Amino acid sequence: SQKIEQNSEALNIQEGKTATLTCNYTNYSPAYLQWYRQDPGRGPVFLLLIRENEKEKRKERLKVTFDTTLKQSLFHITASQPADSATYLCAARRARQLTFGSGTQLTVLP
Amino acid sequence: NAGVTQTPKFQVLKTGQSMTLQCAQDMNHEYMSWYRQDPGMGLRLIHYSVGAGITDQGEVPNGYNVSRSTTEDFPLRLLSAAPSQTSVYFCASSYTNENTEAFFGQGTRLTVV
Repeated sequence: SQKIEQNSEALNIQEGKTATLTCNYTNYSPAYLQWYRQDPGRGPVFLLLIRENEKEKRKERLKVTFDTTLKQSLFHITASQPADSATYLCAARRARQLTFGSGTQLTVLP
Repeated sequence: NAGVTQTPKFQVLKTGQSMTLQCAQDMNHEYMSWYRQDPGMGLRLIHYSVGAGITDQGEVPNGYNVSRSTTEDFPLRLLSAAPSQTSVYFCASSYTNENTEAFFGQGTRLTVV
């Protein structure tokens, strides 16, 4: 069955550094991937969408890449800040279902 | 615009009780869905709807019913609650089911004792 996998280990980085989160997918080829941010006790909030024909997408300090050969998307936060601390989820749609990875918890240390 | 509104925010049920989790959106979105989120499991799709009168099962539908009589509302019913249904439930909506972002409610934390 289709799977979306994220590194379930928490990621701790120092303020000002670049955080890189990984999303791998297996058993299908999504036309696009989405990234969401989730804070404790809140619902996920959409950040970025990247299509399969786009290699890279940027929004302010965020950058997402999509490598259809590796079946992988990378999510980067440059010049990270403590306020970026949250869980980040990737998601892909197959047929009419939006499937999420389990998320990566990011902590930016001051 | 309220976005996606879920009620209640918290609920404790006894095993065997029934209840309905409410979800409403005011964005005229066609697509609505229900997820449950458990530690280490991520968001798992329970049921979804691509428009009024149309619903379908997701990854974990057992023990849950849904209906979609209007565009705005998509309630989730637990007919006979079980401890395994203890979870955080999220409702989401999007303009269509293709290529558009999903908007989530704030969640309902359900405990079944």
